[in-house]
Amino acid sequence: DAGVTQSPTHLIKTRGQQVTLRCSPKSGHDTVSWYQQALGQGPQFIFQYYEEEERQRGNFPDRFSGHQFPNYSSELNVNALLLGDSALYLCASSLGQGSAEAFFGQGTRLTVV
Amino acid sequence: GQQLNQSPQSMFIQEGEDVSMNCTSSSIFNTWLWYKQDPGEGPVLLIALYKAGELTSNGRLTAQFGITRKDSFLNISASIPSDVGIYFCAGQLGYGGSQGNLIFGKGTKLSVKP
Repeated sequence: DAGVTQSPTHLIKTRGQQVTLRCSPKSGHDTVSWYQQALGQGPQFIFQYYEEEERQRGNFPDRFSGHQFPNYSSELNVNALLLGDSALYLCASSLGQGSAEAFFGQGTRLTVV
Repeated sequence: GQQLNQSPQSMFIQEGEDVSMNCTSSSIFNTWLWYKQDPGEGPVLLIALYKAGELTSNGRLTAQFGITRKDSFLNISASIPSDVGIYFCAGQLGYGGSQGNLIFGKGTKLSVKP
């Protein structure tokens, strides 16, 4: 049973560039949430996708956008990258929009230089 | 925004010792969860709690959902070296809608006593 998989694992980008991160949910899960984890902090909620729509959003600017595909996989896009966007980006999947039991991928380490 | 206060921030363990950590909030949560994160990995779900007063075990780990619904506790009995890592508490305010996301604490870092 495949868990949550994310790609790429590491990424280095320059300020002002755009980046796309990808996530495949755990088999059988239909809801994907994205979190940003700065060094030494707990994960911070970015947004959640269910039925291919953004259902809930945390306190992140519009530069952060996403998409969910019919096979439940998801993408996180960040435009106009800032140095402060450097972090570990975590994808979590769950069964159903309201389920608390979220299973996380290994994350994508984004470094903005 | 909502914040969870997790303590202690860090602690050192000796093999065989019992470990306790807790998480408090100013808000009432419907669900509490505990995760462990190893370096370079994503958080792994350890225990989920759904009811005030609930006590749930997973092997040597025991977690409790506080009666006030504003706190939760995690205990690790007879610690072993692989218990080293960062433990996060997380809470969910509601079920879906605008409250379905998880709010995380800042973590408790468990290290081995030198």
